[in-house]
Amino acid sequence: GDSVTQMEGPVTLSEEAFLTINCTYTATGYPSLFWYVQYPGEGLQLLLKATKADDKGSNKGFEATYRKETTSFHLEKGSVQVSDSAVYFCALSGYGNKLVFGAGTILRVKS
Amino acid sequence: NAGVMQNPRHLVRRRGQEARLRCSPMKGHSHVYWYRQLPEEGLKFMVYLQKENIIDESGMPKERFSAEFPKEGPSILRIQQVVRGDSAAYFCASSPQEGGGYTFGSGTRLTVV
Repeated sequence: GDSVTQMEGPVTLSEEAFLTINCTYTATGYPSLFWYVQYPGEGLQLLLKATKADDKGSNKGFEATYRKETTSFHLEKGSVQVSDSAVYFCALSGYGNKLVFGAGTILRVKS
Repeated sequence: NAGVMQNPRHLVRRRGQEARLRCSPMKGHSHVYWYRQLPEEGLKFMVYLQKENIIDESGMPKERFSAEFPKEGPSILRIQQVVRGDSAAYFCASSPQEGGGYTFGSGTRLTVV
């Protein structure tokens, strides 16, 4: 079945450091890919998405490129802030519009 | 423009009681999805509903769990005879059509004592 694998956390960075969170997927067909962010005690917010190969999703300085050849959708940001501390989930839209999530990666940014 | 509203935010139940979780989708959204997040895990799909119809319940446990989305009113996720293993965060999401982008609610955190 469809699955998503994310790098394990927590990831701890200093403010203004470069961020990469790896995400790879297994799916039949051509799913859409997403990154969601969850702040403490809150629900998930869509951060960015890409719907086809080579698309780049971007938002709030974050970006990720849909790489069909490596089945990857790595999240990057050039300069993180303390306010970016959260849990980040990679997901794909599988059969029947269900979202399949990775286990999540905790990001901690220190000032 | 209210988002997806879930209530209650926190729910404590004793083992054997019933838990009812409510979800009001965004205005204009007719598709509702329920997900469960166990501690330190990602979200797992439970059920997908449209008004008065269950479209996909492949992620629902076979016993004690049920869901509905009536013509009027919120979607309800019902857990009968709760056990400690049901303790989790339950998230609802809605979309305007199949394949449309999801909007998630803030979740209901169920604790079974």
